[in-house]
Amino acid sequence: GAGVSQTPSNKVTEKGKYVELRCDPISGHTALYWYRQSLGQGPEFLIYFQGTGAADDSGLPNDRFFAVRPEGSVSTLKIQRTERGDSAVYLCASSKSRGQETQYFGPGTRLLVL
Amino acid sequence: GQNIDQPTEMTATEGAIVQINCTYQTSGFNGLFWYQQHAGEAPTFLSYNVLDGLEEKGRFSSFLSRSKGYSYLLLKELQMKDSASYLCAVKGGGADGLTFGKGTHLIIQP
Repeated sequence: GAGVSQTPSNKVTEKGKYVELRCDPISGHTALYWYRQSLGQGPEFLIYFQGTGAADDSGLPNDRFFAVRPEGSVSTLKIQRTERGDSAVYLCASSKSRGQETQYFGPGTRLLVL
Repeated sequence: GQNIDQPTEMTATEGAIVQINCTYQTSGFNGLFWYQQHAGEAPTFLSYNVLDGLEEKGRFSSFLSRSKGYSYLLLKELQMKDSASYLCAVKGGGADGLTFGKGTHLIIQP
């Protein structure tokens, strides 16, 4: 597709469960970012991939959060033992390269932990 | 640390001009971005400033003063569809992710 796509668009889960959120970046974009946005707040940086490697994971809140990008394209954000405080919109963005500054965002996955 | 401030909400009239201000304190600076976000949708890129001065793009312009840690987004000939949140974001030194402000909710009245 032309833009960043994310699946699922909505996810409802129970406290303690495991979830996976998927991001498909713009074709040819080597840089991929995950952000989390709570209601009334701006997006909060979680992790950045350049190619297959996580170049900066300083924004991950704790070790329950993990992300992979095994082939340098699609990325999966994984959250273990979900907590109610994890409820938010998880946004993915991509850019052409590290030097290409503009990040283009996907529609997000709305995660609700009951 | 990083801190970005912008007004929470602004109201303007259709056809008028509005200026949304953003001030920032960051560790290093590698550019400032403005994004538009309609409710329930993804942020969409509006503008990027890395040098001091004004960048104009159609009805939207963005200004940057690095020495003052200040930027503004200027929207002209306002339309009802401009009702949205406007997010100011900074790329700090040595950082790859963007640091966002909380966003300014702009309400356009007829």
